Amino acid sequence: GENVEQHPSTLSVQEGDSAVIKCTYSDSASNYFPWYKQELGKRPQLIIDIRSNVGEKKDQRIAVTLNKTAKHFSLHITETQPEDSAVYFCAASWVGMRFGAGTRLTVKP
Amino acid sequence: DTAVSQTPKYLVTQMGNDKSIKCEQNLGHDTMYWYKQDSKKFLKIMFSYNNKELIINETVPNRFSPKSPDKAHLNLHINSLELGDSAVYFCASSHGRGRTGELFFGEGSRLTVL
Repeated sequence: GENVEQHPSTLSVQEGDSAVIKCTYSDSASNYFPWYKQELGKRPQLIIDIRSNVGEKKDQRIAVTLNKTAKHFSLHITETQPEDSAVYFCAASWVGMRFGAGTRLTVKP
Repeated sequence: DTAVSQTPKYLVTQMGNDKSIKCEQNLGHDTMYWYKQDSKKFLKIMFSYNNKELIINETVPNRFSPKSPDKAHLNLHINSLELGDSAVYFCASSHGRGRTGELFFGEGSRLTVL
């Protein structure tokens, strides 16, 4: 089955800096790669996603890149703000969605 | 308008008891899931149903039994609860069979086994 690895497990940045989270997946059949943000005590919510026929996607301060050959994808957050502090999960999906272990991002004001 | 709703939100019970969590979605999705999130925040898929048919059954103890009476509902029954079952259980739904699109999560049900 699919195995998703995510790094780093924790990330601390200063407000205004960029943050990058990286994931790798094992199943070459996976074709959908979403990123979820989970605030404390809340449900995970989709922030951006990318499909396997696209290499990069951007939405305001967040962007995702996908390298299908290397089976890795990354989340980039620019101009970080304190409200970006949360746990971020990558996921890969073919039949069923498997999640990475999560990255706890802290943005210091 | 709640898209994916779970009940109860909190559940505190003794070891050995049996409990159920219910989930309903009003998004018209075909596929529903149960995920377990432990204290380390790992989100692990447990089960998935598409139009009442079980399509994913991960390595989960058979004390856990999902049931989908129709495509809008997916319930989870847990027998003989153990301390290690303490976690937040999230129900989710998505369009399509197998090829997953965006998952919409419920608010979660926090189960504490004493």
